[in-house]
Amino acid sequence: KNQVEQSPQSLIILEGKNCTLQCNYTVSPFSNLRWYKQDTGRGPVSLTIMTFSENTKSNGRYTATLDADTKQSSLHITASQLSDSASYICVVSEYGGSQGNLIFGKGTKLSVKP
Amino acid sequence: SQTIHQWPATLVQPVGSPLSLECTVEGTSNPNLYWYRQAAGRGLQLLFYSVGIGQISSEVPQNLSASRPQDRQFILSSKKLLLSDSGFYLCAWTYSKRAEQFFGPGTRLTVL
Repeated sequence: KNQVEQSPQSLIILEGKNCTLQCNYTVSPFSNLRWYKQDTGRGPVSLTIMTFSENTKSNGRYTATLDADTKQSSLHITASQLSDSASYICVVSEYGGSQGNLIFGKGTKLSVKP
Repeated sequence: SQTIHQWPATLVQPVGSPLSLECTVEGTSNPNLYWYRQAAGRGLQLLFYSVGIGQISSEVPQNLSASRPQDRQFILSSKKLLLSDSGFYLCAWTYSKRAEQFFGPGTRLTVL
């Protein structure tokens, strides 16, 4: 069964600190992996999208890595800011799947405290 | 640039009442459109998607239906709401199924 598991479920860090969020998946065949940021009560916003051949991709202070062999991805946030407080959702697309074949993780809720 | 709108932003409805949520996209043509529901503490669940006018695919059996009367308009409906229909409803669009999806601001639905 295609699944996307994220850890931790929630995380509290102090402003200025770094953190890493994890995503493990069992989706096969794999097409791409996406990380979204979702502020409370808002729609998700795309941070990165990576295909099979990409190992790392950055978007400002956000850096995503992908290991397609172990089926793991991580999202590293550098020098966190209060505005980073949000849920971070890992989404994996199944290659050749229907239009609906995106498998969503439940997200990691990050709280950045001053 | 492309923008996606949803309304209303919040809605409180009694059990058994009808529902109509609207999503419109601007600045693009022939987008793929999606309706998702996000329940508290759970991941996004795809409800419907559409690749063109009048073309609707349902991912899960439920009390809801969707329609696409115009190229950039996607509507989520119900004839009689259930308590379990409460949740955060998100509309999204994309150029193709491999491309990233762009989400709307969402509608918070509470069924009492």
